[in-house]
Amino acid sequence: KAGVTQTPRYLIKTRGQQVTLSCSPISGHRSVSWYQQTPGQGLQFLFEYFSETQRNKGNFPGRFSGRQFSNSRSEMNVSTLELGDSALYLCASLQGDPSTDTQYFGPGTRLTVL
Amino acid sequence: AQSVSQHNHHVILSEAASLELGCNYSYGGTVNLFWYVQYPGQHLQLLLKYFSGDPLVKGIKGFEAEFIKSKFSFNLRKPSVQWSDTAEYFCAAIKAAGNKLTFGGGTRVLVKP
Repeated sequence: KAGVTQTPRYLIKTRGQQVTLSCSPISGHRSVSWYQQTPGQGLQFLFEYFSETQRNKGNFPGRFSGRQFSNSRSEMNVSTLELGDSALYLCASLQGDPSTDTQYFGPGTRLTVL
Repeated sequence: AQSVSQHNHHVILSEAASLELGCNYSYGGTVNLFWYVQYPGQHLQLLLKYFSGDPLVKGIKGFEAEFIKSKFSFNLRKPSVQWSDTAEYFCAAIKAAGNKLTFGGGTRVLVKP
């Protein structure tokens, strides 16, 4: 089985721009979670989607949004970028139940905001 | 608020030494617990998980963890580390039937050959 893929792997943007990141889960997995990883804050939960519905959301401002498509692929969008949004954005795929299923992580998208 | 804390940010030890990484969580009710590892340049991957049953859980690569409910702890152990265990280790928790996995801050482990 192919693993979780994330595109692009690296991005450089400037403040005020917006960005869209993509995640393709493992085939058959219906749930996708997004995390932000920074040296100072560690891994922080952004949101989780299951069958095109957002099931849970972390404590991030409304500039961070996401969606999931019928094929389970997910995108996250960050608008009006700030310097502090520079981070590694990780996507995790799982079959359906976050409380019991193993989360399979992708390689991440490294976003740098200048 | 629900949180997970890992006491050590950095650990340095020599090969063949024993490793123990602390993890505490602050959740009410039933909680499911995980340890993930991130080797240099690689993806986060699952080491082991605990849902119920025997509180001593065995995972991959010789790792084990013990769930102590009274202490709200889920410490990771390995009796004898190798240089290849150099990595960052993350403890994570989620309420049973919950949707939000919360990670600890991570512990960077450096094993000297």
